[in-house]
Amino acid sequence: EAGVVQSPRYKIIEKKQPVAFWCNPISGHNTLYWYLQNLGQGPELLIRYENEEAVDDSQLPKDRFSAERLKGVDSTLKIQPAELGDSAVYLCASSPRQGGYNEQFFGPGTRLTVL
Amino acid sequence: AQKITQTQPGMFVQEKEAVTLDCTYDTSDPSYGLFWYKQPSSGEMIFLIYQGSYDQQNATEGRYSLNFQKARKSANLVISASQLGDSAMYFCAMRERHNQGGKLIFGQGTELSVKP
Repeated sequence: EAGVVQSPRYKIIEKKQPVAFWCNPISGHNTLYWYLQNLGQGPELLIRYENEEAVDDSQLPKDRFSAERLKGVDSTLKIQPAELGDSAVYLCASSPRQGGYNEQFFGPGTRLTVL
Repeated sequence: AQKITQTQPGMFVQEKEAVTLDCTYDTSDPSYGLFWYKQPSSGEMIFLIYQGSYDQQNATEGRYSLNFQKARKSANLVISASQLGDSAMYFCAMRERHNQGGKLIFGQGTELSVKP
C-alpha cells in the first residue's frame, strides 16, 4: 500500500513569490492534516480536513496561506506571498477516520526555503 | 503552558544498550492518547507506539515500550537493545478527547544518537 505522497520534496523561492505544495493521502483516508515543522521543533497543525471540509483551520494564517481539498482526496497548500519566516518543513498526514485511536500516517514533507 | 514537554534535547546511547526518552504532558481532559514518533533525517514521521489514558497496561511494540505513569503525567519511551538505525529525532505527542478531530500536539523532540 502506498503511503502519503507529497511533492515537491524541496522548494527554494525568493520572498514575495507564491508557492504550492501537494499531498496525496493514503487511499480511503478521510482525514487529512497539514502540519508546519520549524527547525528544531515538533510539528504544529495548520489545517485539518474531513473529506473535503476544512473542520479546523484555526492555526492557518489566512492572510497568506490557503488550502483546498477538492473531491476529498488530494490537497494543495498555498502560500502567497511567501515570507522569510515561512522557511520550514510542511508535513501532510492522513488517517482513516476521526476520533478514537487513529494513527496518523505522515508523508516525507516538503522542505521550503525562502530567500 | 506547554502541553508536551521533552526535556532532553539530545541523548547518546551505546549500541545494544537500553535508553529512556522522557516525556511529560499536561491536560485536564480525562481521556487522551499519547504517541511516540520517530523522525529520521529523511524527514518522515514514523509511528512507534500508542498509549491510551485508560489503558491499564503499558504499551509495548517490539523493542519499544512506553512507561506510562498517569499520576505523574509522564509517558517515557524505552528503547531496548539500541541499534545504529535508531539514531533519529523522537517526538512525543498527545491527542485530547475533546479535540474530536484527532489533532496531535507534539513536544520539541529529543535527538537520539546511537554510538557503535
